[in-house]
Amino acid sequence: AQKVTQTQTSISVMEKTTVTMDCVYETQDSSYFLFWYKQTASGEIVFLIRQDSYKKENATVGHYSLNFQKPKSSIGLIITATQIEDSAVYFCAMREGGAGANTGKLTFGHGTILRVHP
Amino acid sequence: GPKVLQIPSHQIIDMGQMVTLNCDPVSNHLYFYWYKQILGQQMEFLVNFYNGKVMEKSKLFKDQFSVERPDGSYFTLKIQPTALEDSAVYFCASSLDWGEQYFGPGTRLTVL
Repeated sequence: AQKVTQTQTSISVMEKTTVTMDCVYETQDSSYFLFWYKQTASGEIVFLIRQDSYKKENATVGHYSLNFQKPKSSIGLIITATQIEDSAVYFCAMREGGAGANTGKLTFGHGTILRVHP
Repeated sequence: GPKVLQIPSHQIIDMGQMVTLNCDPVSNHLYFYWYKQILGQQMEFLVNFYNGKVMEKSKLFKDQFSVERPDGSYFTLKIQPTALEDSAVYFCASSLDWGEQYFGPGTRLTVL
């Protein structure tokens, strides 16, 4: 069965620094998709970035990038030049199966609280 | 990014009553989902829906739950009858394909 684990409960950083959030996953599938979302203080859930398992290159979107280490089943999220408004709960999620798989189910981790201080 | 809307934002009902949660997905999206989040915990998948049918459901999707999307209107989650353990925030999501899902702001359901 699929499982996503985020071991860091919370992280505090100073503004404008770089932070890395960890995520490891378990799956029996050879093809899968990994996502990071953030949940703001208002409860809004925002899609940030995605990594497809068959892609070797780490995904990058704006000041978000991923550290995908497939042999370790690890997908870390890196935020560079953090801003106060990056303070949120960050969730890692996985969808099993390739493009032809008959499921869109996302399995989420428990989340990591990020606090960015001025 | 694409916006998913949910109505109402908060619903309080008595145990045993019926409740319908409404979702207005992104207009060109084809796949629809419901997730449940109990305060402070991770989000858990309930069900996904495509082409008028339930594609997959989890063990949390009890017999009292049902979903539908009559002809392009709201995608709804109905719970009948409700139980105390149904109190949670319910998030609707939609996607164009099996890629990233876009979430609504959630409906906080309180069952008394």
